[in-house]
This record gives sequence, C-alpha cells and structure tokens, in this order.
Amino acid sequence: NAGVTQTPKFRILKIGQSMTLQCTQDMNHNYMYWYRQDPGMGLKLIYYSVGAGITDKGEVPNGYNVSRSTTEDFPLRLELAAPSQTSVYFCASSYAHEQYFGPGTRLTVT
Amino acid sequence: ELKVEQNPLFLSMQEGKNYTIYCNYSTTSDRLYWYRQDPGKSLESLFVLLSNGAVKQEGRLMASLDTKARLSTLHITAAVHDLSATYFCAVDKNNDMRFGAGTRLTVKP
Repeated sequence: NAGVTQTPKFRILKIGQSMTLQCTQDMNHNYMYWYRQDPGMGLKLIYYSVGAGITDKGEVPNGYNVSRSTTEDFPLRLELAAPSQTSVYFCASSYAHEQYFGPGTRLTVT
Repeated sequence: ELKVEQNPLFLSMQEGKNYTIYCNYSTTSDRLYWYRQDPGKSLESLFVLLSNGAVKQEGRLMASLDTKARLSTLHITAAVHDLSATYFCAVDKNNDMRFGAGTRLTVKP
C-alpha cells in the first residue's frame, strides 16, 4: 500500500496561473480531505469529501475547487493563483476515525 | 463557530521532566485528535479520543478528554530528545476539522 500520495512535491506559480494538485489513496477510504498549512500555523480545512460524487466546503474554500469522481482520487484546483495561496497543502484520507496524511505539496505563488 | 486553542505555543523542556499541553475547544465536537509533526514533514496520528473520560497512552505520551470542560490534555512523562516536534490537537464536528495552532516542543539534554 502506497497510502496517500500527492503530486507535485513542489511548485512555483505566477499570479493568475492555474494548477491542479493531485491526491490519490489506495486504501479504499471514503473520506478525503484537503488542508493548507501556513508557516508556524495549524492546518485549515479547505474541502472534504465523504464519498465519490460528494464534496463539501471546509473553513477556507475560497479560491479552490475540488472534484471526486472516484474513491481513489481527490484533486484540488486553483483557478487564479494569488500570493495568499502560498502554503503547504496536505491531502488526507480517513477510516474508522483515523486520518492518514499525504507528504504534502509546497506551493509558492509569486 | 468551532475554535481550538492550544497552550503553550512553545515549550522548552529538560530531558527527564514532565509537562502537559492543553487543548481547549469552543463547542461540542464528535472527536478529538492529537498529531505530531516533525519539521518539513507530514502529520503523524498519535491519538483519537471519542468520548468523555477517554484516556489513551503510548510510550511517554498520554492523552485525555473532558468533554464537559471541552478540554484535552497531552501529558509528557520523562521527556526524551526524540519527542522534540510540534504537537497539534484537532476537533471534528460533522467532518469539519479544526486544528489548534500547535505546540512546538523542544527537549534539551
């Protein structure tokens, strides 16, 4: 089992560019989450999904979109990157109250 | 709105000493979590506490939950250098996860 994988590991975007952060899990978990972590801070929930075809907003959804067409994949889309979106992004999946985190994507918007 | 506060935010301990990290939250929640994060790394799950009075222990760490006081504690016994990391608590209300700001723990010889 690879667990939760995220790509890319690092990315630099220019203001106004778009990109998709990929997240895949091979544990057949229904619940998946996207978080962002700003330097020296805790994680903030962007979006979550309780199963394929179902997504919901978290604490900080503005500027992001998600989709969940399969159980395995939960991509996060940034449409018009802004400097405020510079952060480390973590994807997680959950089963039986345990969350399993991916390694993270470090995104810089300049 | 669900808010989570941790204290202290920074903690410097000597090896062999005991200390407690506190996590307060503002409304009732479904679950409370404790995580560890090493610098530049992802989060590692330590404990999930589901009900009032729950206590879990793993090695030198023990977590407890008082849902009436909306308080969880993470107690460190006889700290060792390997416990140096940032510790986060998080609460879950209907899948809406909220994290504390973290406690950066440094254990010195």
